[in-house]
Amino acid sequence: DQQVKQNSPSLSVQEGRISILNCDYTNSMFDYFLWYKKYPAEGPTFLISISSIKDKNEDGRFTVFLNKSAKHLSLHIVPSQPGDSAVYFCAASDRGSRLTFGEGTQLTVNP
Amino acid sequence: DTAVSQTPKYLVTQMGNDKSIKCEQNLGHDTMYWYKQDSKKFLKIMFSYNNKELIINETVPNRFSPKSPDKAHLNLHINSLELGDSAVYFCASSQDLLAGYNEQFFGPGTRLTVL
Repeated sequence: DQQVKQNSPSLSVQEGRISILNCDYTNSMFDYFLWYKKYPAEGPTFLISISSIKDKNEDGRFTVFLNKSAKHLSLHIVPSQPGDSAVYFCAASDRGSRLTFGEGTQLTVNP
Repeated sequence: DTAVSQTPKYLVTQMGNDKSIKCEQNLGHDTMYWYKQDSKKFLKIMFSYNNKELIINETVPNRFSPKSPDKAHLNLHINSLELGDSAVYFCASSQDLLAGYNEQFFGPGTRLTVL
């Protein structure tokens, strides 16, 4: 039973354009969501998070949007840079509980 | 300074052997975790310790035994290794899971290959 799903295994965008990574979840108890970025041969790195009391959180080029009614969140990266090329994992938890990860989306930003 | 470190980075061993992976964090965090990333790239939690106490224990074979000598260390010992244990194992830490701090910091991973 996969409670966090990232339906796009890969995404390719041009440098300078917007990257939009999507994530869906099924557990209505989830109230905290995170995005992690992972380069090859490294561990995941925390990128940005959002609590369920918000619908948007922004940090520099990265913005996460949460649509609770649709159980959907997305990560926007604008402008995209070649160094953003990595695997992006969506994760969710209910506070005080474990993180459940999606399967990841490989983002490739072409120069 | 590395925040979460794991040793070794690579581990190649024969079926049936016993091996350990060590993890240390210097962030002063209270909670530490072990994750397994299988061939399908899913990151799945195996164990979590909070202040040296086991708080999460997923359905993991009892050949896997975590040990936390202090809150900065969480080691993973695996007995009687099997081919299916081949994976990348990640250690992570967070400030205090039980207080709701979910931002976890990951180590670089240990790639275990069982032959």
